[in-house]
Amino acid sequence: NAGVTQTPKFQVLKTGQSMTLQCAQDMNHNSMYWYRQDPGMGLRLIYYSASEGTTDKGEVPNGYNVSRLNKREFSLRLESAAPSQTSVYFCASRSIPTRYEQYFGPGTRLTVT
Amino acid sequence: KNEVEQSPQNLTAQEGEFITINCSYSVGISALHWLQQHPGGGIVSLFMLSSGKKKHGRLIATINIQEKHSSLHITASHPRDSAVYICAPYGGRTGNQFYFGTGTSLTVIP
Repeated sequence: NAGVTQTPKFQVLKTGQSMTLQCAQDMNHNSMYWYRQDPGMGLRLIYYSASEGTTDKGEVPNGYNVSRLNKREFSLRLESAAPSQTSVYFCASRSIPTRYEQYFGPGTRLTVT
Repeated sequence: KNEVEQSPQNLTAQEGEFITINCSYSVGISALHWLQQHPGGGIVSLFMLSSGKKKHGRLIATINIQEKHSSLHITASHPRDSAVYICAPYGGRTGNQFYFGTGTSLTVIP
């Protein structure tokens, strides 16, 4: 099992450009999450998907959109990147509501100039 | 607002020392997750606990739900333990939210 995979690992964008971060898990987990991690701050939830076909906003959703394409895949889209979106992005998944443990992907380091 | 406070923020220890990292939180929770983030950036799950104590190798985690406090202990620390340790309580008003501390950066010197 690969666990949770993310692509790309690194990306540099210019202000105003768009891109999609991809996330996939092969553990048959129901819930998937997108977080951003900034220096001096804890992980912050951008969006999550409790199950296939549902998505909900987290703490910092502005400037982002998500798609739960199927049970395996959960993508994060930046429609018009801004320097404030420079961050490390982590995707995570969790099996069922009574299993609290999250499994994280390796992260995507995004720089917006 | 800081629902989760970790202490210390930074910690340097000599190899072999006993280490304690503390986590206090202000929200009601049903469980708490301890995570490890290595210098390369990957995040690994160490423990998920809702009461008492759990042990895995040289790592021990304890939690007191009523006092809203958890500790992570590392016995006989080793340079490979150098990492950032993150406390993540689970629960909150909705009952299904993770909160994250800013982490404790640990460096173990040979």
